[in-house]
Amino acid sequence: KAGVTQTPRYLIKTRGQQVTLSCSPISGHRSVSWYQQTPGQGLQFLFEYFSETQRNKGNFPGRFSGRQFSNSRSEMNVSTLELGDSALYLCASSLGQVNTGELFFGEGSRLTVL
Amino acid sequence: AQTVTQSQPEMSVQEAETVTLSCTYDTSESDYYLFWYKQPPSRQMILVIRQEAYKQQNATENRFSVNFQKAAKSFSLKISDSQLGDAAMYFCAYRSAFARDDKIIFGKGTRLHILP
Repeated sequence: KAGVTQTPRYLIKTRGQQVTLSCSPISGHRSVSWYQQTPGQGLQFLFEYFSETQRNKGNFPGRFSGRQFSNSRSEMNVSTLELGDSALYLCASSLGQVNTGELFFGEGSRLTVL
Repeated sequence: AQTVTQSQPEMSVQEAETVTLSCTYDTSESDYYLFWYKQPPSRQMILVIRQEAYKQQNATENRFSVNFQKAAKSFSLKISDSQLGDAAMYFCAYRSAFARDDKIIFGKGTRLHILP
């Protein structure tokens, strides 16, 4: 069974631009979570979607948004990029029911903002 | 709010030796799950081991075991017979058992080096 797929793997943007990252979960998984990973802050929760509905959102500005499609694929968007948005963005999927919480991660999208 | 603290940013261990990674957490909840995730260099993060708070018995997965001290809010990971493939960033993580979503709170990680 294919794992979690994130695209693009690497991208470079300049300040003020916007970016869209994509995540395809494991087949049958209905929950997709997004995390921002930086050396200083570690892994920080961005948001989580289940059946096209956002169930939770982390403490990030409104420039960070996401959505989930009917096939469970998810996208996140960051507008008006800042230097501090440079990070590895990780997507994780799960079945989404209340469970013991194992998440399956993709390899991440590494964003560099110049 | 729940927090997870890993006080060792980096550790090194000789191949075939045993190493213990520390983790403490803070929560007011009575039921939750604790995890150790492994992130190898440039590879995706995978679950190493999981502990359910209401279970007193420490979880074990092959060479990996935990020491779960609920009263002390401590959750350490022991790796026995360390192998070169164990080199990675290890994250301790917490999930509420009452949550209706998949939010997991991670510590900042411990980078483990294996010395040949």
